[in-house]
Amino acid sequence: EAGVAQSPRYKIIEKRQSVAFWCNPISGHATLYWYQQILGQGPKLLIQFQNNGVVDDSQLPKDRFSAERLKGVDSTLKIQPAKLEDSAVYLCASSLDQGVNTEAFFGQGTRLTVV
Amino acid sequence: AQSVTQLGSHVSVSEGALVLLRCNYSSSVPPYLFWYVQYPNQGLQLLLKYTSAATLVKGINGFEAEFKKSETSFHLTKPSAHMSDAAEYFCAVSGAHAGKSTFGDGTTLTVKP
Repeated sequence: EAGVAQSPRYKIIEKRQSVAFWCNPISGHATLYWYQQILGQGPKLLIQFQNNGVVDDSQLPKDRFSAERLKGVDSTLKIQPAKLEDSAVYLCASSLDQGVNTEAFFGQGTRLTVV
Repeated sequence: AQSVTQLGSHVSVSEGALVLLRCNYSSSVPPYLFWYVQYPNQGLQLLLKYTSAATLVKGINGFEAEFKKSETSFHLTKPSAHMSDAAEYFCAVSGAHAGKSTFGDGTTLTVKP
């Protein structure tokens, strides 16, 4: 079974530029999550989708971050404009559904460096 | 509200020695607890989870953890460390949704030959 795919793996941009990350979840997984992992910290949930609807985006800085999941499959996370403090690894995860007994599978992440 | 505290950002053990990684949680609802492992440049992999069944949970790679409500703890142990166990370990707590978790800041495990 293919895992959660993310691209690009690495991205370096200048502050005030925009950037987009892509995530392809495991086939059939209805729930998709985006996490931000700053160096030295644990992952922090940014947004959760159930199919193509947003379940929770309370931690998403909506003035600069946006995310969508068209057709309930792939998802993109965008930052515009980027700030230095956005440097982090952005992890995508997916699960069959929202239940606690369903495991969330994580992608390898996209490492963003803002200079 | 939920939170996790991992005691010790770095733990070093000798190969063959006991591994003990500490995790304390805070939760206003009955918690579900998880341990994940992250190898360099990789995503997180679930080691084990507690979902209100048995308090002693066995996971992959010989790891286990015990849920102690009175101590609000969920420490991770392994009787004998292997070089391949060197990685970063994260404890996480959630409500009903496994993927919607609050993570601790991680513990880096180093295994010395």
